[in-house]
Amino acid sequence: GEDVEQSLFLSVREGDSSVINCTYTDSSSTYLYWYKQEPGAGLQLLTYIFSNMDMKQDQRLTVLLNKKDKHLSLRIADTQTGDSAIYFCAESPDNYGQNFVFGPGTRLSVLP
Amino acid sequence: ETGVTQTPRHLVMGMTNKKSLKCEQHLGHNAMYWYKQSAKKPLELMFVYNFKEQTENNSVPSRFSPECPNSSHLFLHLHTLQPEDSALYLCASSHQGGQYFGPGTRLTVT
Repeated sequence: GEDVEQSLFLSVREGDSSVINCTYTDSSSTYLYWYKQEPGAGLQLLTYIFSNMDMKQDQRLTVLLNKKDKHLSLRIADTQTGDSAIYFCAESPDNYGQNFVFGPGTRLSVLP
Repeated sequence: ETGVTQTPRHLVMGMTNKKSLKCEQHLGHNAMYWYKQSAKKPLELMFVYNFKEQTENNSVPSRFSPECPNSSHLFLHLHTLQPEDSALYLCASSHQGGQYFGPGTRLTVT
């Protein structure tokens, strides 16, 4: 079956860049998503990328997709303490929100 | 504010109680979901409703009973729960552009 993997923890210093990585196995994945979950809250959709793109940038966030290696990354520039959260990668064969497969989440800790 | 609301935000219940979780979405979406999130398993999909019809039930115990009276509302009825059911229960909805989550209900079973 489909599987999405992420490293569980990442620590960075405030002001540095963070890179959160994700790998997936389903070759029919067409849309790939990044979600952010702050403590005690639900998941917030940050961005998504269509599989015919290899990069998408949105302010401090840059998503890179290597479809050949089935590898997705989220880069956060100038990381702030407010970026401390769990980041989930997810994949889907369509953009209707169904048939989602989520990764286990990466807990990002931003150190002062 | 994602347009998906959940009530209550926190719930403590005994193993013999009956309670219900409520989810409401104001986005005009046609699909709604219940997820369970705990320390042991980050995100477990429980139920999927598409146009009010249940399309997925991921082997969830019968002590959890979903109800979807219309495309905007989703309930999760709880009875005779176990302490291991303590978790964050998340509701989501979708149409295009991914799933949108509510803030969750933190459930503690004593």
